[in-house]
Amino acid sequence: QKEVEQNSGPLSVPEGAIASLNCTYSDRGSQSFFWYRQYSGKSPELIMFIYSNGDKEDGRFTAQLNKASQYVSLLIRDSQPSDSATYLCAKGGNNRLAFGKGNQVVVIP
Amino acid sequence: DTGVSQDPRHKITKRGQNVTFRCDPISEHNRLYWYRQTLGQGPEFLTYFQNEAQLEKSRLLSDRFSAERPKGSFSTLEIQRTEQGDSAMYLCASSFRGTSGYEQYFGPGTRLTVT
Repeated sequence: QKEVEQNSGPLSVPEGAIASLNCTYSDRGSQSFFWYRQYSGKSPELIMFIYSNGDKEDGRFTAQLNKASQYVSLLIRDSQPSDSATYLCAKGGNNRLAFGKGNQVVVIP
Repeated sequence: DTGVSQDPRHKITKRGQNVTFRCDPISEHNRLYWYRQTLGQGPEFLTYFQNEAQLEKSRLLSDRFSAERPKGSFSTLEIQRTEQGDSAMYLCASSFRGTSGYEQYFGPGTRLTVT
């Protein structure tokens, strides 16, 4: 079983809509979670991190963590064409990040 | 804040040659990490340093790979006797323990192509 799973296929959303991304993790003891955005051919860019159960909002992004169900989600409100990218979910510890495969988001103007 | 830098950005080498990559972390960050990413996959952890000490190495880091961070500042990753399977993006990240934890920030990466 992989440490972090992102199983959804490419997500197409109209401009202005909400994009919703999910990931699950296997280690119940995991404490810290991160969302990175990666444009094609570029390196990952940290956009959100969350350490506590519940919601965390930053601009148009909301991260949600549910430790009981072992999932993390990312909502992108008012999606823009510039949000078109691959979004990587990662769980952390003190030593390393374990990433999912990523979910591609395409925002259609 | 100048961010993490990596050099070179692209490297093409022939199978069997040795290559070395350099990473300069964000100046106040004491932790430095190396990851490898292949197409369609998330980055995979290779190794990390706290200051000059290499504290963890992944089993992915075969004996052909070696990493150093001699003075706790920049780091180098060397791959000896490169193989075609080494073709990937090599990513460096750095972090500093803040009040919440270790958030890692990535450099632009070095894309290696082994022919």
